Amino acid sequence: GDSVTQMEGPVTLSEEAFLTINCTYTATGYPSLFWYVQYPGEGLQLLLKATKADDKGSNKGFEATYRKETTSFHLEKGSVQVSDSAVYFCALSVPTGTASKLTFGTGTRLQVTL
Amino acid sequence: NAGVTQTPKFRILKIGQSMTLQCAQDMNHNYMYWYRQDPGMGLKLIYYSVGAGITDKGEVPNGYNVSRSTTEDFPLRLELAAPSQTSVYFCASSFSANIGEQYFGPGTRLTVT
Repeated sequence: GDSVTQMEGPVTLSEEAFLTINCTYTATGYPSLFWYVQYPGEGLQLLLKATKADDKGSNKGFEATYRKETTSFHLEKGSVQVSDSAVYFCALSVPTGTASKLTFGTGTRLQVTL
Repeated sequence: NAGVTQTPKFRILKIGQSMTLQCAQDMNHNYMYWYRQDPGMGLKLIYYSVGAGITDKGEVPNGYNVSRSTTEDFPLRLELAAPSQTSVYFCASSFSANIGEQYFGPGTRLTVT
């Protein structure tokens, strides 16, 4: 079945450091890929997405490129801020014709310190 | 737009009690979902609905029931609460069946003791 594997956390970085959170996937068909972010005490919010191979999703300084050859969708940001502290979830969705059921990774907690 | 709203925010249940978690959305989305999030785990799909009157099981439906009488509302029912149902529950909705972009509510933290 479909699955998403992402690096375990927590990831602790100093402000302005470079961030990479690895994500790889296994899927039948042609999945769309997503990064969701969950701030403390809140629900998940869509951060960025890519719907086909070689697409780059970007938002708020974060970016991720859909790499079909390596089945990866790594999240990167050049300079993190304390306000980026959150849990980040990689997810995929394969069209089924009925509903878009998301398959999530286990989440990676990011802690950014001054 | 309020987006996706959930009530209550927190609840403590005793084993064997029942309760309904409420979820509503004002975006006119046909598709709605219920997930549970256990510590250190990703979200698991409990039930979903593709429109009023149509529901289907997700990955972990045992111990839960749902109904969808209107486009806006998608309540989740726990009939006989068990400690294994201690979790954070998220409701979500989406416009499209195939894009996968979902909008989440703030969650309900449920403890069963």
